[in-house]
Amino acid sequence: KQEVTQIPAALSVPEGENLVLNCSFTDSAIYNLQWFRQDPGKGLTSLLLIQSSQREQTSGRLNASLDKSSGRSTLYIAASQPGDSATYLCAVGGATNKLIFGTGTLLAVQP
Amino acid sequence: DVKVTQSSRYLVKRTGEKVFLECVQDMDHENMFWYRQDPGLGLRLIYFSYDVKMKEKGDIPEGYSVSREKKERFSLILESASTNQTSMYLCASRHHVRRGANYGYTFGSGTRLTVV
Repeated sequence: KQEVTQIPAALSVPEGENLVLNCSFTDSAIYNLQWFRQDPGKGLTSLLLIQSSQREQTSGRLNASLDKSSGRSTLYIAASQPGDSATYLCAVGGATNKLIFGTGTLLAVQP
Repeated sequence: DVKVTQSSRYLVKRTGEKVFLECVQDMDHENMFWYRQDPGLGLRLIYFSYDVKMKEKGDIPEGYSVSREKKERFSLILESASTNQTSMYLCASRHHVRRGANYGYTFGSGTRLTVV
């Protein structure tokens, strides 16, 4: 059974820092991995989608990498801003057509 | 801008009521999903549908049913609401997996349901 873990569970950084969020999964037979952002009381906003054949994806200040063989993905946020404060979720998709979510990392960027 | 729209942001219902949560997508997606999200438990899949009139149980289907009469609309039904169904409900959709193409999920803004 696929399990997805995110470390750390919470992170507080000063504005301007570069930071890395980690996601690990137990079954490497995935089709893709998706990173989401969730603001308090709101739905999920898709940030980046990485296909199993890809190593990384970039969007603005965000860069996500995927190492399928080791069961790891990282989300790199450059020059963090207070507006980046949110919960970040990773999720893996596989043959079952289901999305398995990690537990999330709560990020606080201090002005 | 493509969208998944959930009809209500907040709902308060009484125990025993029949509750309908509606979700509409405008992206012509084949697959639609209902999740619930609870503190400490994360997101858990309730039901999903891969086509009109088709449905599959997720990980926690007990106490719920679904309806997909049209491609764009996926309804979650709480047959007899109970207090343990108080939660945030999230709808999502995506294109069906095709050869060489795996699509991402688009989520709605969520419905916060409170059962009293």
